[in-house]
Amino acid sequence: DAGITQSPRYKITETGRQVTLMCHQTWSHSYMFWYRQDLGHGLRLIYYSAAADITDKGEVPDGYVVSRSKTENFPLTLESATRSQTSVYFCASSENRDQAFFGQGTRLTVV
Amino acid sequence: GQQLNQSPQSMFIQEGEDVSMNCTSSSIFNTWLWYKQDPGEGPVLLIALYKAGELTSNGRLTAQFGITRKDSFLNISASIPSDVGIYFCMYGQNFVFGPGTRLSVLP
Repeated sequence: DAGITQSPRYKITETGRQVTLMCHQTWSHSYMFWYRQDLGHGLRLIYYSAAADITDKGEVPDGYVVSRSKTENFPLTLESATRSQTSVYFCASSENRDQAFFGQGTRLTVV
Repeated sequence: GQQLNQSPQSMFIQEGEDVSMNCTSSSIFNTWLWYKQDPGEGPVLLIALYKAGELTSNGRLTAQFGITRKDSFLNISASIPSDVGIYFCMYGQNFVFGPGTRLSVLP
């Protein structure tokens, strides 16, 4: 199906484990983004990518790693998960700096 | 970096009322974007503004790009229950969102 999809939708992991959240878009958009949304907070930018093999830090990059070897995929890895990383994670893509299309989100719980 | 503030933080209104909210920045912006997030969903773009003073409508929604280029306003006329959600402003140049205004509509 066309669009942007995130997987998994829900994930429970233990403190200290590595976990990867996947994001895939079918539009060939240049830009892709990862945001986290905590209760009582808005959306905070973790990392973004302007093109394949180009990534940049956002507002809250610590504890996260991203890669973009292909235009359509932008995985987010938590190398050693902490409880403070419990959140809802949104991936988005955009062809320019205007309209971004968001995925359904991944609800991650770190216990 | 730029700081975005939105007010009010939350609001409860009666169905049929008009709504006003605003977003202010510490820096001059070239683009203002307004998004809405329905419960359990990702945000969706409502309106994009590109010029100071610009007034743009999308159905019952109207947004304005402030003359100072440091603020923007979003108005919703004749609110309905499906207007419930969180409204975010966003600066397109750095992809940073404001903290949001949470709207509740009472029947």
